Amino acid sequence: DTGVSQDPRHKITKRGQNVTFRCDPISEHNRLYWYRQTLGQGPEFLTYFQNEAQLEKSRLLSDRFSAERPKGSFSTLEIQRTEQGDSAMYLCASSLAVTSGKVNEQFFGPGTRLTVL
Amino acid sequence: DAKTTQPTSMDCAEGRAANLPCNHSTISGNEYVYWYRQIHSQGPQYIIHGLKNNETNEMASLIITEDRKSSTLILPHATLRDTAVYYCIVRVARGKLIFGQGTELSVKP
Repeated sequence: DTGVSQDPRHKITKRGQNVTFRCDPISEHNRLYWYRQTLGQGPEFLTYFQNEAQLEKSRLLSDRFSAERPKGSFSTLEIQRTEQGDSAMYLCASSLAVTSGKVNEQFFGPGTRLTVL
Repeated sequence: DAKTTQPTSMDCAEGRAANLPCNHSTISGNEYVYWYRQIHSQGPQYIIHGLKNNETNEMASLIITEDRKSSTLILPHATLRDTAVYYCIVRVARGKLIFGQGTELSVKP
């Protein structure tokens, strides 16, 4: 399967613990996005990378959240000192960068569902 | 960021056309309209996008009004597998997608 993959698919943790999620994008895609989705809501943008550079972060991304894409391929999203309000689906998407006005679709992974007890 | 307004839910009979409206009255001239859908417990899936002209692909058709303030996604022959939440999105710079709450489409036998 050459789509976007995410690991783990489900994570249950206790409040105060740290968690890390991984996203493997489609191999030739240089853009990688993270979104968060709570129940009954649409996904909310968190951050995105072009290659290894993190180019934008949402105000939703508190200082407990950190994302990396060290080699411009896979990405990790870490949440430190988790809170119950962090419970959500964390979605990763990848795309080719916008070039010459051509807009490229984002391909989403299946998401990681986080439950903080 | 341009905002979109969609009905919360819609029903459609299997085999009939599903017409999903979207209002984006604050759209600016260079912003595309994108449609994605999300089937329960899966990540969103791209359907179609357009700027000014009507567009059609193997999944759907997109009709954009001349003033670009609204659009309609048409699924010509809806099936039970088309039951999903459909999001109308106006793309902003650098590819960031701003999702609304979408329309929950129920296709019924």
